[in-house]
Order: sequence, then structure tokens, then C-alpha cells
Amino acid sequence: ETVMTQSPATLSVSPGEGATLSCRASHSVGSKLAWYQQKPAQAPSLLIYGASTRAAGIPATFSGNGSGTEFTLTISSLRSEDFAVYHCQQYDNWPLTFGGGTKVEIK
Amino acid sequence: QVQLQESGPGLVKPSETLSVTCTVSGDSVSSPSYYWTWIRQPPGKGLESIGYIYYTGSTNYNPSLKSRVTISLDTSKNQFSLNLTSVTAADAAVYYCARARRVIVWVSEFDSWGQGALVTVSS
Repeated sequence: ETVMTQSPATLSVSPGEGATLSCRASHSVGSKLAWYQQKPAQAPSLLIYGASTRAAGIPATFSGNGSGTEFTLTISSLRSEDFAVYHCQQYDNWPLTFGGGTKVEIK
Repeated sequence: QVQLQESGPGLVKPSETLSVTCTVSGDSVSSPSYYWTWIRQPPGKGLESIGYIYYTGSTNYNPSLKSRVTISLDTSKNQFSLNLTSVTAADAAVYYCARARRVIVWVSEFDSWGQGALVTVSS
């Protein structure tokens, strides 16, 4: 099983600032990496797939990068609606596995 | 636009069977382009993939749950269902159904999710 590790667990950011979230895989998953946003009491929603392709309707303020074992999600300028938990997930091998999440909170 | 909606009893007794159904609208569970999946999230914890089913009826389960899980398809109702037997407190979670893209033969990202069904395990 591929273990996904996200860091930091919590990121405190002021609105308008940028944020970079990290995700590491225990072994290479190529570019088969997705990012999801989850707001309180809601289901996750897809942001990025293929490590860097934005899902439909996702603004360009979100960007994904990386391949192999190291990945990042960058939010260029945080808006109020961007404060949430972000999960990475690999789909290179079964079982599909998620990281523990990074909570982006208002500083 | 596809929508998924979970339904099922919110409370299950220990050692009994948890059953949750996902009703799909805006797409067909008979589509060859997607896998229909189950994911769970214990309160305050991370996400865990449970398994998926394809329109042919073929399934794949997380090895950690394989001995207790069955996922089935009802094309006449455009639904798919999860059964988890012999539940314990560790199975208490929000259970999500989701649609995953099929790329060649591989399961890919989850592009649509249901709102989730909270299941509590208690006598």
C-alpha cells in the first residue's frame, strides 16, 4: 500500500496571501495524484488531477505540481472560501490512498 | 450534472451488517466510463477507499476490508450499494459514494461525490 503523507497538518495564512501544501508518496505514483478540498460538514470536491490538471470550474489560483513521490498544491491568493482541509490522493495502485489532510486556517 | 445521494440507517449495532445505498442521477451506473466507489471517513480522521464496482459487476475491495465488504449494482434503480458485515466501533464513519473515472482499465480520480451518510455503531 502506498502511504501518502501531507505537511504541514495545519497552515495558518492571512487572506490574500499564498499557501503551499506538500504531499509525499512512500513510493513513486508517477503523475497519478489528485487534490481535493473539503469544507466543514461537506464532501471532498476534486481540485486537481494528473498532479497538475485543474478540474472543471477550478480557478487558476489553484495549481498543482510534482511527480514521482513529491507533490505540491499552491493557492496563489487565499480567499475566504479557500479556508478548508485539503487532501491528496494517489491512484497509481490499489488500494487508492489519501494523505491525512492539511487544514488551511485563517491567521 | 451527475448527483449522488447516500441513504441508509444511521445506527448499526456491533456485529451486525452496515448497508448504505447510493442513488445516482444525471448519469448511468451502466456507463462504461466510470467506476462507482465507496470511501469512508471516521470522525476527525482521514479518508479511506473501501472499494468499487464496474457496470459489468466486477469489483475490487480494499484488502483491509475485503473479507467483510460487498458492493453491488442495481441498474434498474440506477443505484449501487455497500454492505459491511460484523461491524465494530472502528467502522463508525461518514460513508461517501463517489464516481471515479475509468482510464483504460484503471480507476482514476473521484470527480463527483455524494454528501455522505453518517453511520454510528452502538448497541
